Amino acid sequence: EAGVVQSPRYKIIEKKQPVAFWCNPISGHNTLYWYLQNLGQGPELLIRYENEEAVDDSQLPKDRFSAERLKGVDSTLKIQPAELGDSAVYLCASSLDIHNEQFFGPGTRLTVL
Amino acid sequence: GENVEQHPSTLSVQEGDSAVIKCTYSDSASNYFPWYKQELGKRPQLIIDIRSNVGEKKDQRIAVTLNKTAKHFSLHITETQPEDSAVYFCAASNPGSGYSTLTFGKGTMLLVSP
Repeated sequence: EAGVVQSPRYKIIEKKQPVAFWCNPISGHNTLYWYLQNLGQGPELLIRYENEEAVDDSQLPKDRFSAERLKGVDSTLKIQPAELGDSAVYLCASSLDIHNEQFFGPGTRLTVL
Repeated sequence: GENVEQHPSTLSVQEGDSAVIKCTYSDSASNYFPWYKQELGKRPQLIIDIRSNVGEKKDQRIAVTLNKTAKHFSLHITETQPEDSAVYFCAASNPGSGYSTLTFGKGTMLLVSP
């Protein structure tokens, strides 16, 4: 089966610019997650979707970050405006539901200059 | 919330040796403990997991042990091979959120020298 797909794989922008990341989960997976992974650290959850509903976004910095999962399939994570400290890898993961294994995508490495 | 501590941060072994990575967690309600392997520039991949109703689980050269009383769990890799070199992350989650809200440790970089 195809895995979780993310694009772009790499993104370099200047601070204060907007940026968007896209994720296509494994077919049939209802739960979708966005994680932030800083260098030398473990992934940290930003937001979790159950179908199209954001059920856990307590760690999402809502002043500059937003996410959507229209139709409960693909998802987009946006940062506007980006700051230097946003440089990290943004991982998307999906699972059948909250009781099953999470499968990760390859991530998007963001560099903010 | 949950807090997961992982040690050591770096582990160097010779090929054929065993490697042990240890994690402790703070939330006694946690009951699901997966281990992920992440090769450089690649995605994290689940290699083994354990639920709180068992104390040990093995899969070929990999085993995980869980001590709920002490709130710690460990990953054991026997007969290490160079391709085992990667960063390993432990994680924990509690039943209130299913298995969805994983709290990860900071990772252990395992280096296996030929």
